[in-house]
Amino acid sequence: QVQLQESGPGLVKPSETLFLTCAVSGYSISSGYYWGWIRQPPGKGLEWIGSIYQSGSTYYNPSLKSRVTISVDTSKNQFSLKLSSVTAADTAVYYCARDHQDIVVVPAAHFDYWGQGTLVTVSS
Amino acid sequence: EIVLTQSPGTLSLSPGERATLSCRASQSVSSSYVAWYQQKPGQAPRLLIYGASSRATGIPDRFSGSGSGTDFTLSISRLEPEDFAVYYCQQYGRSQYTFGQGTKLEIK
Repeated sequence: QVQLQESGPGLVKPSETLFLTCAVSGYSISSGYYWGWIRQPPGKGLEWIGSIYQSGSTYYNPSLKSRVTISVDTSKNQFSLKLSSVTAADTAVYYCARDHQDIVVVPAAHFDYWGQGTLVTVSS
Repeated sequence: EIVLTQSPGTLSLSPGERATLSCRASQSVSSSYVAWYQQKPGQAPRLLIYGASSRATGIPDRFSGSGSGTDFTLSISRLEPEDFAVYYCQQYGRSQYTFGQGTKLEIK
């Protein structure tokens, strides 16, 4: 069973950098698939942030691209999110998920396994 | 960016009734890249439907998806108490994902 677990500070000051890690168990990141980050402001909908392949290839939401970096550490079977210059608008529950994207063999694109989410509040 | 608009915003029904949720895209999307999720309070979203009409592992057959082009539908044939939640549609296109704003299914 694939399981994901987010970790990182729950409180970040405005203008600083948010950093979260997602530990994956039950599946080796090196075996394939993309791995993504999605966030949800309190009481609002879902917003995709970006995704990374095991090779390190990334793609990001254009609206966040200038502030986002996603990286992967296959030796630790985890991937990470950095979001710079945060403001109160970045306060949200941040989820990591497996990005089941395939545009070649059997076309599909969806998130099939999710972490429980972690609330990050941006406040001084 | 492809915008997904879900309707209605809130749907009030009773257990045993049929629910029909709509998701309309601002331009045509590939049905292979359309998914539906269920989210309950305090929980992560759960994948229900992918490829517009395929049920994810463990999802009861009372859930079904359909549609093509710009119009997609999630149907729940006979509502169970545990089905009352928020539902989101999702699409992938031009190397980015977008989600609808959600439909809240509440008990009447």
